[in-house]
Amino acid sequence: GIQVEQSPPDLILQEGANSTLRCNFSDSVNNLQWFHQNPWGQLINLFYIPSGTKQNGRLSATTVATERYSLLYISSSQTTDSGVYFCAVDPSSNTGKLIFGQGTTLQVKP
Amino acid sequence: DAGVTQSPTHLIKTRGQQVTLRCSPKSGHDTVSWYQQALGQGPQFIFQYYEEEERQRGNFPDRFSGHQFPNYSSELNVNALLLGDSALYLCASSLHETQYFGPGTRLLVL
Repeated sequence: GIQVEQSPPDLILQEGANSTLRCNFSDSVNNLQWFHQNPWGQLINLFYIPSGTKQNGRLSATTVATERYSLLYISSSQTTDSGVYFCAVDPSSNTGKLIFGQGTTLQVKP
Repeated sequence: DAGVTQSPTHLIKTRGQQVTLRCSPKSGHDTVSWYQQALGQGPQFIFQYYEEEERQRGNFPDRFSGHQFPNYSSELNVNALLLGDSALYLCASSLHETQYFGPGTRLLVL
């Protein structure tokens, strides 16, 4: 089956710093989503981005489907950005069976 | 517009017991998916329901079963609980490609 690898596994930043999280996937996908899981376990949608670039405030994402990777950019990080960031893909024709990576744990220090 | 809701929030059971978890999708969403998230791991797909039928299933034993009701809400049932079933159980709803997750049910099996 498809493999989803996220890097780095852990990241510690000072407030105000920028960061880039990476998601590599081993096969073509029809759906790619980025999520932020807060300390209470809630998965919050960040982007639906099977290809191209999107921006939402301090966050932006780029997926290069032909090269099988996606990047999540966080600018001017805040302590509330702390948590685990997951990339998830659906390798089939949007069946809704998301395959998640292991996540990147981000800690933003004040 | 209410998001995805799940009940209960927490649950403690003993080995061998049975448990039922409940999920109400976002308004207008007709598809419900269930995921299991063990501590420190990414969520793993259990199954998906659409039009009251199981449409997709992940690599989980038959002890895991589900149901979708005409109002699109869903239940996840787990029989003969094992210690390894302790996890956060997440429900996601969707209308098209983007999945939206509920807050989860934390199940502890003793």
